[in-house]
Amino acid sequence: GNSVTQMEGPVTLSEEAFLTINCTYTATGYPSLFWYVQYPGEGLQLLLKATKADDKGSNKGFEATYRKETTSFHLEKGSVQVSDSAVYFCALGYNFNKFYFGSGTKLNVKP
Amino acid sequence: GEEVAQTPKHLVRGEGQKAKLYCAPIKGHSYVFWYQQVLKNEFKFLISFQNENVFDETGMPKERFSAKCLPNSPCSLEIQATKLEDSAVYFCASSQTGQAWNSPLHFGNGTRLTVT
Repeated sequence: GNSVTQMEGPVTLSEEAFLTINCTYTATGYPSLFWYVQYPGEGLQLLLKATKADDKGSNKGFEATYRKETTSFHLEKGSVQVSDSAVYFCALGYNFNKFYFGSGTKLNVKP
Repeated sequence: GEEVAQTPKHLVRGEGQKAKLYCAPIKGHSYVFWYQQVLKNEFKFLISFQNENVFDETGMPKERFSAKCLPNSPCSLEIQATKLEDSAVYFCASSQTGQAWNSPLHFGNGTRLTVT
């Protein structure tokens, strides 16, 4: 079956630290991969996506590379800010809108 | 509109009462989804629509949950005879086409349902 596994949080970092949030997946076929971010009291917002193997998605300093050989899509940022504190969700999606979400990783960034 | 609009923001119901949640998808988006977010952030898929037709209802608890998307009206999710375990945040999302690679989900801000 299809599933997404994320590292358990919370992840607590100091401002300007390097961030990695691990995500691995199990999938049949060729899904697209996504990272969504959820700020308190809000819905999920698309952060970045990659649609095929070796694609790199990037946005707002965040990056993730679609690695088919390791079935991974780890989220990275070189220097986090307090404003990056949120819950991050890894997801895979197929055509006809079948999406599978991970359980989310909470990030706390301290000044 | 340009955003997925969900109402109400908060809803409190006594156990056994009915709850009805509304969602207006982004104009031009053909697909609407309902998700339930429970403790520990888990997202549970409930149901999806393609225009006014049910597309996938594999996540819906059949006994008490129902949903509709009628033309020229907000979509709705109704829970008859709510139970304590229905307490959650319910998110609606919409997408333009059926192709995940170029049409990601756009989420509303959710309705927090508290069953007492």
